[in-house]
Amino acid sequence: GAGVSQSPSNKVTEKGKDVELRCDPISGHTALYWYRQSLGQGLEFLIYFQGNSAPDKSGLPSDRFSAERTGGSVSTLTIQRTQQEDSAVYLCASSFRVEQFFGPGTRLTVL
Amino acid sequence: SQQGEEDPQALSIQEGENATMNCSYKTSINNLQWYRQNSGRGLVHLILIRSNEREKHSGRLRVTLDTSKKSSSLLITASRAADTASYFCATDPNDYKLSFGAGTTVTVRA
Repeated sequence: GAGVSQSPSNKVTEKGKDVELRCDPISGHTALYWYRQSLGQGLEFLIYFQGNSAPDKSGLPSDRFSAERTGGSVSTLTIQRTQQEDSAVYLCASSFRVEQFFGPGTRLTVL
Repeated sequence: SQQGEEDPQALSIQEGENATMNCSYKTSINNLQWYRQNSGRGLVHLILIRSNEREKHSGRLRVTLDTSKKSSSLLITASRAADTASYFCATDPNDYKLSFGAGTTVTVRA
């Protein structure tokens, strides 16, 4: 596709449920990033994948958060046992060099 | 943690006026980037300035970087209604992990 796509665009879930968020990066981009943006705030780095290297997971806020990238392309961010404070927009970005290209985000609401 | 901090938090200007916003950061950087976010187009890269550059232009955008003061400014000249958005600076102290500020919200009044 022409840009980074994310699905779903909106997700409403109940506290305690698990959710999976998907990101399709731009074809050929070796790097993939996940960020979280809370209302009125900047972006908080979560995790970074680069090629076949071990991911940088230093931004994941707790062990309820995990992410994988299959075949160097599509990535899934999983949040287990969701809490209300997990409510935010989750943004995915990909890059070939320095400039990052962002997807439209998934708005997660935990009730 | 957020490394960049934008100032002001919000800015309201008349169409045709210039808008200036500033970004301060804490640690040394390789480069500094500015991004724009609006509801229609999501987060879009505007301009990148490297640590050895002092000024860069792109269309109606002018970015300056002062590494001695750990600060950058973004100037938008001859603003348009379409410039209404939030603007974020992002730094990369370790070459890939961007650290974003909380942003400056710019409103351009017709």
